[in-house]
Amino acid sequence: ETGVTQSPTHLIKTRGQQVTLRCSSQSGHNTVSWYQQALGQGPQFIFQYYREEENGRGNFPPRFSGLQFPNYSSELNVNALELDDSALYLCASSLDEGGSNYGYTFGSGTRLTVV
Amino acid sequence: KQEVTQIPAALSVPEGENLVLNCSFTDSAIYNLQWFRQDPGKGLTSLLLIQSSQREQTSGRLNASLDKSSGRSTLYIAASQPGDSATYLCAVCGSARQLTFGSGTQLTVLP
Repeated sequence: ETGVTQSPTHLIKTRGQQVTLRCSSQSGHNTVSWYQQALGQGPQFIFQYYREEENGRGNFPPRFSGLQFPNYSSELNVNALELDDSALYLCASSLDEGGSNYGYTFGSGTRLTVV
Repeated sequence: KQEVTQIPAALSVPEGENLVLNCSFTDSAIYNLQWFRQDPGKGLTSLLLIQSSQREQTSGRLNASLDKSSGRSTLYIAASQPGDSATYLCAVCGSARQLTFGSGTQLTVLP
């Protein structure tokens, strides 16, 4: 059983560019969530997908968008990158809707640096 | 809005000590609470998941308790080892079915 895998592991982008981060959920998991973790802080919820539908969103602007595919893998897209978008981006998956019964399994993250 | 606080922010102990990490949350309407470990620059490793109906969970040297009515959880680590050095994060799954995290406790276990 493979866990949650994220790609790429590291990324450097220029301010104003666009970026796509990818996540493969753990086998059988139909909920995927994305989190942003700035240095020295706890992760902040960006949004969540359950069976290809967005079913929750945190306090992030519309330039943060996502998709969940039929195989439950997911993408996070960020447009018009800003310096403050530099962070560790974490993907998590759960066996049930919103992790209410089984909790979440996290990937190793993508470190995004915006210069 | 759910808020999660972890105390202390940092802790340094000699090897072999038993220690307690604290987590408090403001909204008791939760599905569960999860404790994670994070090594520098890495992802999160789940340590323990406590459902809202449970009082505690144990895994090896780790024991986590939950008092939902008072909005508190503790993570007890017995006989600490240098390999336990990491940041420990507490997260609650609330009514919106999303995780709200504390800022973590950075633990250093000295050999």
